[in-house]
This record gives sequence, C-alpha cells and structure tokens, in this order.
Amino acid sequence: SAVISQKPSRDICQRGTSLTIQCQVDSQVTMMFWYRQQPGQSLTLIATANQGSEATYESGFVIDKFPISRPNLTFSTLTVSNMSPEDSSIYLCSVEDGQGGVNEQFFGPGTRLTVL
Amino acid sequence: QKEVEQDPGPLSVPEGAIVSLNCTYSNSAFQYFMWYRQYSRKGPELLMYTYSSGNKEDGRFTAQVDKSSKYISLFIRDSQPSDSATYLCAMIPILTGGGNKLTFGTGTQLKVEL
Repeated sequence: SAVISQKPSRDICQRGTSLTIQCQVDSQVTMMFWYRQQPGQSLTLIATANQGSEATYESGFVIDKFPISRPNLTFSTLTVSNMSPEDSSIYLCSVEDGQGGVNEQFFGPGTRLTVL
Repeated sequence: QKEVEQDPGPLSVPEGAIVSLNCTYSNSAFQYFMWYRQYSRKGPELLMYTYSSGNKEDGRFTAQVDKSSKYISLFIRDSQPSDSATYLCAMIPILTGGGNKLTFGTGTQLKVEL
C-alpha cells in the first residue's frame, strides 16, 4: 500500500493568513484527494486532484479558498486561504491504489489546523 | 438528513467483549461498503470492504451488510485494548476505474478497557 506523508503535522495560524499543506506519496498515483475532518463531523471531500489538470471541487468548496497544486504524480499541495476560526480542522490527503483489483483509498496522517 | 448516520459513541467495553458498530444510510445506490479504523492523530486505515449484501470475515472482524434495511455492521470478536480507535463506515455507489467518492459516517469512538 502507498505510504503518505503530510507537512506540517499541525499548525496554529492567525485569522486572515494562509497555510499550504503538502502531501507526498512514495509511489506514483493518478488520483489524489483532499478531505476535511471537523470535530464531530464526517470526513468531507474537498477536491480531487489529478496531475496535469485542474482540481475538481465538491459542492461548497471553491478554488479561491482552497487552491490545489498537483505538479507531479507523487506530490500535491492544498492551501487554506484567508483563514477564519471555522477553518480549524484536520486536513487529510488520500490516494487511490488499484492493486488487487480494488481501488482502495489510503490516507495520510493529517494536518491539524487551529485558526485563532 | 445525512446520507450516512453513525452513532458517535463513545463506546466502552471490557477486553474480550464482542463489539458491534453500526451505520445506516439513505442512498439506495450505495453498493460498496467500507470500514476504516482511525487511531488518535493518525489517518484512517482501511479495515475491510464488502460488496452489496452479505457477510465478510477477516480474523476477528466481520462486516455485515443488509441492503434491504440500509444497515451495515462491523463486529469485533475478542476485543483487545489495541482495538481502541475511532471506526468510520464509508460507502460508494460503485467502484469505478478511479475517483471513487467515499461518503463517510461520523465515526464511532471505541475504547476497550483492561
């Protein structure tokens, strides 16, 4: 299975600033996903990132707020822009691994963001 | 109404107990059902998945799907303190060639006590 790392693991930020979260995978993958996990709520998909094309955003999420880069098949970044306390959450990246005939999703350890 | 409902717990059981974790869902299009385990400060890891209705067993874990009732369960036999984690159910309409959009429950926090 793919091994995924994220940086930073946690951060405390001021309102109005931006934070870029990095996701690195140890193998080349086509599909990468960014999720948000807020306390007491289910994991929510923010966007799907394919290499070489614009990210596809889910309802309620926009590119201006959550710009995503996917420069190659092993790396992606998510930026949380103009942050407010409501953006305090855990942000997770995941990848699909098609080995074994099932496209399983594997998750990174997450980035715990607190906005003051 | 949420598409997937899951009791958040926390659920506390003694070591060795049989644990039952459950989710209900409203979208009859869901075909694949997954269970993820998430330890504190870690990302979710896939435990097992099932397709349509029926049971699937993997060691101490059994996943059960009842599509007629839109109800899925995960049973853990002989529970151990190392099973203490949050368990999330997830489901998708169909496994495509890529880009499977999972719909998650909120997760149930389980604590297995010595």
